[in-house]
Order: sequence, then structure tokens, then C-alpha cells
Amino acid sequence: EAGVAQSPRYKIIEKRQSVAFWCNPISGHATLYWYQQILGQGPKLLIQFQNNGVVDDSQLPKDRFSAERLKGVDSTLKIQPAKLEDSAVYLCASSLSPSLRTEAFFGQGTRLTVV
Amino acid sequence: DQQVKQNSPSLSVQEGRISILNCDYTNSMFDYFLWYKKYPAEGPTFLISISSIKDKNEDGRFTVFLNKSAKHLSLHIVPSQPGDSAVYFCAASPIGNEKLTFGTGTRLTIIP
Repeated sequence: EAGVAQSPRYKIIEKRQSVAFWCNPISGHATLYWYQQILGQGPKLLIQFQNNGVVDDSQLPKDRFSAERLKGVDSTLKIQPAKLEDSAVYLCASSLSPSLRTEAFFGQGTRLTVV
Repeated sequence: DQQVKQNSPSLSVQEGRISILNCDYTNSMFDYFLWYKKYPAEGPTFLISISSIKDKNEDGRFTVFLNKSAKHLSLHIVPSQPGDSAVYFCAASPIGNEKLTFGTGTRLTIIP
């Protein structure tokens, strides 16, 4: 079974530039998450999708971050404009179904450096 | 407000001995708890979970204990092996929701 795929693996941008990350979840997984992990901290949930609908985006800085999940499969996370404090690893995860309390499977992440 | 706390940022254990990683939580709505393991440059991988209706769950060398009254859980690894060296994250989700709240992680180093 293929895992969660993310690209790019690394990205360096200047502040005020924009950036986009892509995620392809495990086939058949209805729930998709984007997490932000700042160095030395645990992953923090940014947004949770159930199929192509947003379940929770309470911690997403909506003035600069946006996310979409096309046709309930792939997802993109965008930052525009980026700030220095956005430097982090962005992790995508997917899980089978919210009703089953199954574990989330994570991709390798995209390491973003804002300079 | 850190709802899931791992107060030990690092832990070193001799190979073959028991490793005990601790986690405390404050939100009484949490009813499902997971441990994830993370190697450098990789995403976290699921290790073991426990529901609040249990106080213990075992999977091979890994055992998770839950003390609901103390809002505390621990992960025991016995015997510890060099491949267990990684960062371990405790995570919790509330009733009726899959939203995971993670702790800050504990870096476990197994000394050969």
C-alpha cells in the first residue's frame, strides 16, 4: 500500500513570497490533515478535511494560509505572503474514517525555510 | 495552553533495559490516546494506541498504560533496542473527533 505522498521535500523562500505544498493521501482515506511542526514542538493541526469538506480550520491563519482538497483526494496548502515564523515542517496525514478512530498516517513532510 | 505535555525532552537508556516515556494531559474530553515515533527527516509513524475504556494495551515490546484519574499515560518499551532511538510523541483526541493534539516529544536514545 502506497503511503502519503508530499512534495516538495524542501523549500526555501524569501519572506513575503508565496509557496504551495501538495499532498496525495492513501487511497480510500476520507480524512486528510495538514499539520505544522515548528522545531522543538509537536505537530499542530492546521486544517482537517473530511472528503472535500473542511471539518476544522480553527488554527489555520486564514489571512495568509489557504487549503483545498480537490475532489476529496489530493490537497494543496498555500501560504501567501510567507513570514519568517512560518519556517517549519508541514506534514500531511490521512486516516480511513472519523468513525473508526483509526490512526493517522503521515507523509515525510515539507521543510519550509523562510529567509 | 499545552493540553498534552511531555515534560522530559530527552531520555537515555541502556540497550536491553526498560524505557519509560511519560505524558500528561489536561483536557478531560480526551478519550483516545496514541504514541507516534519519529525518525529524522521522516513523518511520525503510529506505534500504539489506547482507548479510555482500557488502562493497558500491549503490542510486542510496547505497552501503554493509562491512568485516567491522574490524566497520565506512559509508554514502556522492553527490552529497549538501538532502533528504538527516535523522538516519541504522545497524542490525544476527544470524544467524537479525530483531531489529534500532540505533545512536544521526548527524544529517546538507546545506548548500546
